Amino acid sequence: EDKVVQSPLSLVVHEGDTVTLNCSYEVTNFRSLLWYKQEKKAPTFLFMLTSSGIEKKSGRLSSILDKKELFSILNITATQTGDSAIYLCAGIWQYGNKLVFGAGTILRVKS
Amino acid sequence: DTGVSQDPRHKITKRGQNVTFRCDPISEHNRLYWYRQTLGQGPEFLTYFQNEAQLEKSRLLSDRFSAERPKGSFSTLEIQRTEQGDSAMYLCASSSTTQGAALHFGNGTRLTVT
Repeated sequence: EDKVVQSPLSLVVHEGDTVTLNCSYEVTNFRSLLWYKQEKKAPTFLFMLTSSGIEKKSGRLSSILDKKELFSILNITATQTGDSAIYLCAGIWQYGNKLVFGAGTILRVKS
Repeated sequence: DTGVSQDPRHKITKRGQNVTFRCDPISEHNRLYWYRQTLGQGPEFLTYFQNEAQLEKSRLLSDRFSAERPKGSFSTLEIQRTEQGDSAMYLCASSSTTQGAALHFGNGTRLTVT
């Protein structure tokens, strides 16, 4: 069964810290991995990763996929209180169009 | 791009009642998804439409749940004979075949069954 596991489940850091969020997935017929940020309501799209070893960056956020070890990481540098949110990763497999989400990592950035 | 719109934002209903939610996707998007999210969990897939065709439905979805997208634009999700376990946030998302897997989510409908 398609499965995505995130760690840690929650994390509290201080402003300015760097954080790394982890996401592992089942391999069978895997196609792409996506990261979303969820604040109060709608998850908002961050990154989609399909190729192994190619880092994607957007400001202080970056992400990379390792297809050999079956995981992805999301890095946030110089964290701000506005980064406090639930970070979700999701996998999409071949022959399907649905995203399968992990349970999320709750990040709280303290000022 | 006005985003994905969902209505209502909140719904409180008594156990046993039927409820219906509406989703208006981004206008040029031909794919529409329904997800359910409970506290402490990621969104759980319910069903998926491409245009008006319902192409996939979760095995976890009971017969009390039905979704339609009659003209390939807006969609409705109906839950019959609601149970307390149906209490959750119901999220709708859309995408286009040209954009691939990046879903755009609405703000959801929060259902509370008392």
